[in-house]
Amino acid sequence: AQSVSQHNHHVILSEAASLELGCNYSYGGTVNLFWYVQYPGQHLQLLLKYFSGDPLVKGIKGFEAEFIKSKFSFNLRKPSVQWSDTAEYFCAAPQERGGNKLTFGTGTQLKVEL
Amino acid sequence: SQTIHQWPATLVQPVGSPLSLECTVEGTSNPNLYWYRQAAGRGLQLLFYSVGIGQISSEVPQNLSASRPQDRQFILSSKKLLLSDSGFYLCAWSPGLAGGGTGELFFGEGSRLTVL
Repeated sequence: AQSVSQHNHHVILSEAASLELGCNYSYGGTVNLFWYVQYPGQHLQLLLKYFSGDPLVKGIKGFEAEFIKSKFSFNLRKPSVQWSDTAEYFCAAPQERGGNKLTFGTGTQLKVEL
Repeated sequence: SQTIHQWPATLVQPVGSPLSLECTVEGTSNPNLYWYRQAAGRGLQLLFYSVGIGQISSEVPQNLSASRPQDRQFILSSKKLLLSDSGFYLCAWSPGLAGGGTGELFFGEGSRLTVL
């Protein structure tokens, strides 16, 4: 079964700083990958997703993620964070190849300070 | 458009009392339905998965159970709550086989359960 690892549990940045959150998954080949975000007091929502094609995926609010097959990674990036990006971020992948059940990483709590 | 709702949003229950959390989906048919539990520092843990009415897959051993009495209704229950059942419970749906699907999940607002 798939496992998803997020190595940064808590990240604190100043506004305008660049962000990169790490995500590694355990098995390769064709895999769908997701980043979800949970803003304070809000429900979990999709930030971006990779299914196939261009390994650089653009999401909402200026976020992007790069799928690097050789490294089993799908890191989330944003060139310049804003205070409103304060949230918890989760990386996810299907539990089994082609399956519908998602396995989530432990999450990264991002705090952006003014 | 599709919507998902779960309730209650907040619940405080004594140890040993029963539990019922309800989740409904609108605007789609034959969805896959999920119950996850979110714990701080531990991410989201899949508890139950359902592909159709009466079809429930339990993902982890636990004190909870799930039922799907109707196509778009998913209920999380317990006969006797334990302290360790406290947590934030999330219901989610994804398109079923006929509806296509890429693994993306759509989440409800969550229910925070505190067992005292």
